[in-house]
Amino acid sequence: AQTVTQSQPEMSVQEAETVTLSCTYDTSENNYYLFWYKQPPSRQMILVIRQEAYKQQNATENRFSVNFQKAAKSFSLKISDSQLGDTAMYFCAFMPQEGKLTFGQGTILTVHP
Amino acid sequence: KAGVTQTPRYLIKTRGQQVTLSCSPISGHRSVSWYQQTPGQGLQFLFEYFSETQRNKGNFPGRFSGRQFSNSRSEMNVSTLELGDSALYLCASSLTHGSLYGTGELFFGEGSRLTVL
Repeated sequence: AQTVTQSQPEMSVQEAETVTLSCTYDTSENNYYLFWYKQPPSRQMILVIRQEAYKQQNATENRFSVNFQKAAKSFSLKISDSQLGDTAMYFCAFMPQEGKLTFGQGTILTVHP
Repeated sequence: KAGVTQTPRYLIKTRGQQVTLSCSPISGHRSVSWYQQTPGQGLQFLFEYFSETQRNKGNFPGRFSGRQFSNSRSEMNVSTLELGDSALYLCASSLTHGSLYGTGELFFGEGSRLTVL
C-alpha cells in the first residue's frame, strides 16, 4: 500500500516571499503520478501541479514548481512570489497507473500581507 | 463546461438514519471517486466507479456503499449513521480510471457536509 506523508501541518509566509511544502511517499511502483492539490477555505479542491514519475524534469506551473527526487521518494512544492490567494490547505497525492489517489494529511498555508 | 456537482451541500441527520449523496461528474467523465474528509483522518478514499463498475474500494465498513448510473452520475449511501460519519464527502470525476490512459487529474466538487447528531 502506498503512503504519503506531509510533515508540516501548518506553514506561514509573507506576501511576495517563497515557501516550500514538503512531501514524501512510499511505494514499490515504478510508474506513477504525483500531484499537489489546493483546497481554499471555500472547500473546492483544485489541481496545482502534476509530475509524471518517468520524467526527470521537474514540473513547473507559473509560480509553482516541484522538486521531485524519485530515489528519495520526495516531492516538494515551491511557491514563489506568494500571494494572499495562495492561502489554502495543500495536499500532496500519489496515484499509481491503475489505482486510487492517496492523499497526505495536508499542510495549511497562510500568506500574510 | 459545468463542473462536478454534488447535492445536497449540507445535511443534518440523526444516529441510525441513512443518507444518500449524489454526484454529477463533468460531462464526458466516466470515473467518479468518493472521499471522506475529516479534521482527524484527513482525506480517505471511499470508492471509485468507472463505467458503472466499482474499480477500487477503500477501508470503510459495509454501511458505506455506492453506485454509478449509465450517465456516469454516482450516488453514495451510508446506512445506520454514526456520530463518526460526520464529515465532508467529496466527489471527484476524471476522464478515465487511474492514470494509465490519461493524466490522472481529478476534478472535485464542493462537497456535501454531513452532520450526524
